[in-house]
Amino acid sequence: DVQLLESGGGLVQPGGSLRLSCAASGFTFNNFAMNWVRQAPGKGLEWVSAIGRSGGTYYADSVQGRFTISRDDIRNTLFLEMNSLSAEDTAVYYCAKALLPTAWVPNYYSMDIWGEGTTVTVSS
Amino acid sequence: QSALTQDASVSGSRGQSITMSCTGTSSDVGGYDYVSWYQQYPGKAPKVLIYDVSKRPSGISNRFSGSKSGNTASLTISGLQAEDEATYYCSSYTRSGLGVFGGGTRLTVL
Repeated sequence: DVQLLESGGGLVQPGGSLRLSCAASGFTFNNFAMNWVRQAPGKGLEWVSAIGRSGGTYYADSVQGRFTISRDDIRNTLFLEMNSLSAEDTAVYYCAKALLPTAWVPNYYSMDIWGEGTTVTVSS
Repeated sequence: QSALTQDASVSGSRGQSITMSCTGTSSDVGGYDYVSWYQQYPGKAPKVLIYDVSKRPSGISNRFSGSKSGNTASLTISGLQAEDEATYYCSSYTRSGLGVFGGGTRLTVL
């Protein structure tokens, strides 16, 4: 089965840091771009970041300079390093796989496989 | 980047067809044919229904269809069923090379 499993969420104080992981299985991980998408409590989806097959990275304005996306194609794992966290970053964080095995950036943002999400709460 | 604009809610009766919209600008929806639609149930991860404006991934019912005119993309659901009651999100590629979602439309099936 194709599967994504996030981990690393939790409670962190404002200004703190957290590293999320997403373990992939059931598909050729290095063939696909990967994304992080978040959803604040009771709110809609917000695209956060993407990483291409060759490691090119893309960030929403709201996290640029604070978050870093990376991937380990040996361990089939996606990461999101989050720094300078604030209450506005409180959300469920999903990792999601690009639908098509392509290096064409516009296709990065059609996502067919999603994890169950990991919850990040920023609060003192 | 600004979120795409979706109606907050829409409703329809079982068996009917409904269409919901997703409005952006020439820098996203209007400029590229890379609009996707997702269905999300409460507490669950989203599921892709449509990509590249009108393409359906394998396994998605042909009751779901997508289209685009100018800066507005549309999702049509025909033969409404009770299980279609969910929140629907559109997304698009943007001129800045990033992704953006709409605010979501809550569908009620009467």
